[in-house]
Amino acid sequence: GEDVEQSLFLSVREGDSSVINCTYTDSSSTYLYWYKQEPGAGLQLLTYIFSNMDMKQDQRLTVLLNKKDKHLSLRIADTQTGDSAIYFCAESSLNQGGKLIFGQGTELSVKP
Amino acid sequence: EPEVTQTPSHQVTQMGQEVILRCVPISNHLYFYWYRQILGQKVEFLVSFYNNEISEKSEIFDDQFSVERPDGSNFTLKIRSTKLEDSAMYFCASSEALETEAFFGQGTRLTVV
Repeated sequence: GEDVEQSLFLSVREGDSSVINCTYTDSSSTYLYWYKQEPGAGLQLLTYIFSNMDMKQDQRLTVLLNKKDKHLSLRIADTQTGDSAIYFCAESSLNQGGKLIFGQGTELSVKP
Repeated sequence: EPEVTQTPSHQVTQMGQEVILRCVPISNHLYFYWYRQILGQKVEFLVSFYNNEISEKSEIFDDQFSVERPDGSNFTLKIRSTKLEDSAMYFCASSEALETEAFFGQGTRLTVV
């Protein structure tokens, strides 16, 4: 079945860039998403990219999609301590009735 | 900004009891979803709901689970006879259309004792 994989932890210094990586298996994915989960909170949609795009930029966030390698990344520029959270990659496709397949989440720790 | 709201934020129930988790999706959204996240594991899809019927469900969503939209605003998940392994965070989500972004609620933490 479909699968989404992420590395579990990433630690960076405040002010550095963070890059969170994700791989997926479903070649029919149409949308790929990044969600942020702060401790005790729900899932906040950060950004998404349609599968016919290879890059999307939104302020400090840059999403890169390599459809051939089924690789998605989220770059956070000038990472702040408030960016510390778990970041989930998710994909959906037209034949899945809108359901999202999530990765296991990457815990980003930003040190001052 | 419109948001998905879920109640209660935390529910403790005894094994074998029935629970109903409640959600108010964003008002102009047509697609509704339930997901769950067992502690330390991935967020897993349970069910999607559109036009007053289930459009897709996962293997997890067996006969002990049911969903309902009892009125124009609420979307509920009922677990008929809870088991210890049903302990998880349950997230409701809604989207405007099938391929648009889904917005999630804050979740209900269900603890079965």
